[in-house]
Order: sequence, then structure tokens, then C-alpha cells
Amino acid sequence: EAQVTQNPRYLITVTGKKLTVTCSQNMNHEYMSWYRQDPGLGLRQIYYSMNVEVTDKGDVPEGYKVSRKEKRNFPLILESPSPNQTSLYFCASRGLSGANVLTFGAGSRLTVL
Amino acid sequence: ILNVEQSPQSLHVQEGDSTNFTCSFPSSNFYALHWYRWETAKSPEALFVMTLNGDEKKKGRISATLNTKEGYSYLYIKGSQPEDSATYLCAFHGNTPLVFGKGTRLSVIA
Repeated sequence: EAQVTQNPRYLITVTGKKLTVTCSQNMNHEYMSWYRQDPGLGLRQIYYSMNVEVTDKGDVPEGYKVSRKEKRNFPLILESPSPNQTSLYFCASRGLSGANVLTFGAGSRLTVL
Repeated sequence: ILNVEQSPQSLHVQEGDSTNFTCSFPSSNFYALHWYRWETAKSPEALFVMTLNGDEKKKGRISATLNTKEGYSYLYIKGSQPEDSATYLCAFHGNTPLVFGKGTRLSVIA
């Protein structure tokens, strides 16, 4: 089944404790992206990647890092999480060519205390 | 930051009513316009992607139109059903990555 898999789905952590949210897709998509969803603000892009070893900042990259060492994986790293990073996070991927739609992961709900 | 506006923000309709909502986007550097349906506790799922001015797409009771010259797209739902209750997102693809609107939250009352 074609899918985007994120882990963990739920996480409660404390300020300053580094964490990584993994994202993996099995569709051989070039493009991958991370979004956060906050009430009243819609989906905001954090980082995206057009292909292996190519990453770019989205609208709200502060406090986050990403890497794209393999085509299928695009982990989101919070080096020192803060409470304002409490949010619902979505990973998504799509092919580069034409007007391809995004396939989203199931979401990861992160709470930073 | 590009501005993608959706209206209304939310709406309630009775089962069986037809409804529509709007997505406004920049009319320059247009590449594609996406519509997604997002049910509570799930992840967004693609409905349509449209690339040409005048495009019309249909999927069951849901259809969408596109006007790239004036920068808007309409999403129509005919004979709304409770299972249509969701947030409907549009996303503009220009010369930057997809920019999402904040969505229209539809509630269909049985």
C-alpha cells in the first residue's frame, strides 16, 4: 500500500530534550515536506526537500532541522524543543512532475511541557 | 508570504442542501491549484488538482472550477450528506512550494 508513515504518532516531552519525528514514504517520491497545524493558523510549512540532499526552509523553520540522506526518509529534528512547538505535525510527499497531489502521513501530535 | 484565502471560514448546512465555498489565490505565476478534504482525527486527502484556466473537475457529488485569470476556485457539494462534514483545504502552487489556505470547515446537520 502506498503510504507515508510517521512516528511517533503521539509524544509528550519536556523542554530541551532532543527528539526526532521520523517520516518514510514508499512511493519513490522526490518531494517531501513537513507541516505543522495549529488552531486558527492552518497548515504551515516547516521544511521541504525536492530530492536527496536538497532541503529548503518553509514558512516556519525556526527551531527545527531536517535531513534527506535517502529518498524515502525525511526526519524532523527538534534539537531543543520548547512549549511553542506543541502542535500537530504532518509529513507529506509527492512526485515532482506535473500537478501531483500530496500524500499525507497520519500526523504526529507533540506536546512539549 | 503568498496569500491564499478561503471563505467562509466555517459553515453549517442541512442534509440535502447544496453548498459552495471559495479559494482565492494570486493570479500570477500560477502552476496548479489543489483541493484537499480533511476529516477530524485523520490526515488531509486529495480531492482535485487543477492546472488550466476553466478547468472543471468532478468526483461524485463534489466538483470544482478554476479561474486563474482572476485567481479563484470554487468547490461545490451537491446534496450534502453528514459524511461530507470536514475541513476543505485549497493549496496554491506557483513558483514556490504549495501554500495552503486555512480551510473551510463544513458541518452537515442530519
